[in-house]
Amino acid sequence: SQTIHQWPATLVQPVGSPLSLECTVEGTSNPNLYWYRQAAGRGLQLLFYSVGIGQISSEVPQNLSASRPQDRQFILSSKKLLLSDSGFYLCAWSVDSNTGELFFGEGSRLTVL
Amino acid sequence: LAKTTQPISMDSYEGQEVNITCSHNNIATNDYITWYQQFPSQGPRFIIQGYKTKVTNEVASLFIPADRKSSTLSLPRVSLSDTAVYYCLALLYNQGGKLIFGQGTELSVKP
Repeated sequence: SQTIHQWPATLVQPVGSPLSLECTVEGTSNPNLYWYRQAAGRGLQLLFYSVGIGQISSEVPQNLSASRPQDRQFILSSKKLLLSDSGFYLCAWSVDSNTGELFFGEGSRLTVL
Repeated sequence: LAKTTQPISMDSYEGQEVNITCSHNNIATNDYITWYQQFPSQGPRFIIQGYKTKVTNEVASLFIPADRKSSTLSLPRVSLSDTAVYYCLALLYNQGGKLIFGQGTELSVKP
């Protein structure tokens, strides 16, 4: 069966520090991968999605970046965190982009102080 | 870009049927309507998806009229554990199946 893992689960970082959140999927190959952010008060914002290794689409301008060094690995990074980067980050995957069914990870809660 | 609009919150009681309506006036011909459920501090979970008319699974039903400008998620006989946020979103078929979430509807089920 397929599984998705994110880490770390929680993170407290000072403003200006770097960030690296990792997401891996097991049990499937060539998944579509997504990073979403959920700020306080609901609403998931699509940040990045990838349909293959090295193929990253960015949805909103920001100081975050994403990379997909391997087929089932998706990394969210920042060189310098801002206060506004605080939130709940969710990685998700789908096997077929046209089914609408995304499988989400456990989430990573980031607090920038 | 298809945008969905749904009520911010709804209240219900155990055992009642709950209908959450979503409007999507500019949905494209190839877009699908998809609903997700989210509990606090968890990722959303897929509930149901449809294109038109009615779709039913073991959890919910989805009604989409012929003009596809709105859709209604129906939860039969809700329980306290159905308290969650429910998202209506359009699957953007022509944009690689991109899913754009809105603000969702916070459903509160009371005893």
